[in-house]
Amino acid sequence: EAGVAQSPRYKIIEKRQSVAFWCNPISGHATLYWYQQILGQGPKLLIQFQNNGVVDDSQLPKDRFSAERLKGVDSTLKIQPAKLEDSAVYLCASSQGLAQYFGPGTRLTVL
Amino acid sequence: GNSVTQMEGPVTLSEEAFLTINCTYTATGYPSLFWYVQYPGEGLQLLLKATKADDKGSNKGFEATYRKETTSFHLEKGSVQVSDSAVYFCALSGWAGSYQLTFGKGTKLSVIP
Repeated sequence: EAGVAQSPRYKIIEKRQSVAFWCNPISGHATLYWYQQILGQGPKLLIQFQNNGVVDDSQLPKDRFSAERLKGVDSTLKIQPAKLEDSAVYLCASSQGLAQYFGPGTRLTVL
Repeated sequence: GNSVTQMEGPVTLSEEAFLTINCTYTATGYPSLFWYVQYPGEGLQLLLKATKADDKGSNKGFEATYRKETTSFHLEKGSVQVSDSAVYFCALSGWAGSYQLTFGKGTKLSVIP
């Protein structure tokens, strides 16, 4: 069974630029999550989708972050404009039940 | 709100040593508890889980028991290997507007030959 796919694996941008990350969950998983993991910390939930609807986006900085899951399968997370403090690993996870399965993440560096 | 506290790292052990990583939690209701492991350059992998009090999760020689009376879920392994070197995260799944994972800060384990 294929795991959660993410791209790109690494991205370096300058502050005030925009960036987008892509995630393809495990086939059949209805729930998709985006997490931000800052160095030395545990992942923090940004947004949770159930099929193509948003379940929880209370910790998403909506002035600069946006996410969509238009067809209930893959998802895109965008940051515009990026700030230095957005440097982190962005993890996508999916679930069909209790356990969540994570992708390899995208490491973002904002200079 | 929900929170997870795990022991500070890094932890350095010799091969075949006994491992304990402490984890305690605060949550309303009856959360499910998890340990995830993150190897260098990789995403998080589910190591083990427990869904109710006194359940023991186990995998790859690792064990953890859900102790409701002490709100703990300590990770143990009797004999660690160099390949166990990774960052270990304790997490809980509880209601916070939706069912979501709350993670501890992680504990880095290094096992030396």
